[in-house]
Amino acid sequence: DIQMTQSPSAMSASVGDRVTITCRASQGISHYLAWFQHKPGKVPKRLIYAASILQSGVPSRFSGSGSGTEFTLTISSLQPEDFATYYCLYYNSYPYSFGPGTRLEIK
Amino acid sequence: QVQLVESGGGVVQPGRSLRLSCAASGFTFSASALHWVRQAPGKGLEWVAAISFDGSASYYIDAVKGRFTISRDNSKSTLYLEMNSLRPEDTAVYYCADLIGSRWGQGTLVIVSS
Repeated sequence: DIQMTQSPSAMSASVGDRVTITCRASQGISHYLAWFQHKPGKVPKRLIYAASILQSGVPSRFSGSGSGTEFTLTISSLQPEDFATYYCLYYNSYPYSFGPGTRLEIK
Repeated sequence: QVQLVESGGGVVQPGRSLRLSCAASGFTFSASALHWVRQAPGKGLEWVAAISFDGSASYYIDAVKGRFTISRDNSKSTLYLEMNSLRPEDTAVYYCADLIGSRWGQGTLVIVSS
């Protein structure tokens, strides 16, 4: 089974900051990686799929890159509504696997 | 509009059973593989199970294999999760989701406690 790790597990940042979150797979997964944003009491929201394709309706300050075993989610200029927990998801063959999450807090 | 509505959650004693349902509308239910994802209190998202579009194949995480069964009724546009031999560590909000189509239900809370 493929295991996903994320770093950092938590971070604090200020509005306007550029933020990068990393996700690593235990073996190569090509581009089968999605990023989700999850806020308490809300449904997870997909931001990116196929490692770098922006979901329709998601602001362009979000971007994804990577392939194989290392992936990044970048928020170019943090907005107040971006403080949330972010998860990567491997989704090619079963079992699918979420990363443990990165909690992004306000500094 | 697209809707996925879970039901069936509640409080149950360890060792007992519960069946979750997820009623879908607004998209071609019978064309989509569907999933159950859970989030335990204070923990992250965990993929639990999936079923193919026609119900011919199903997949599980090791922690629920042999205890949980995912199924679907395409004539009713409904997804199910039969949960047997429940354990306290199964306590979580359970979401049904079309992960490829990016459609999620609001979740239903399952609490396993004596």
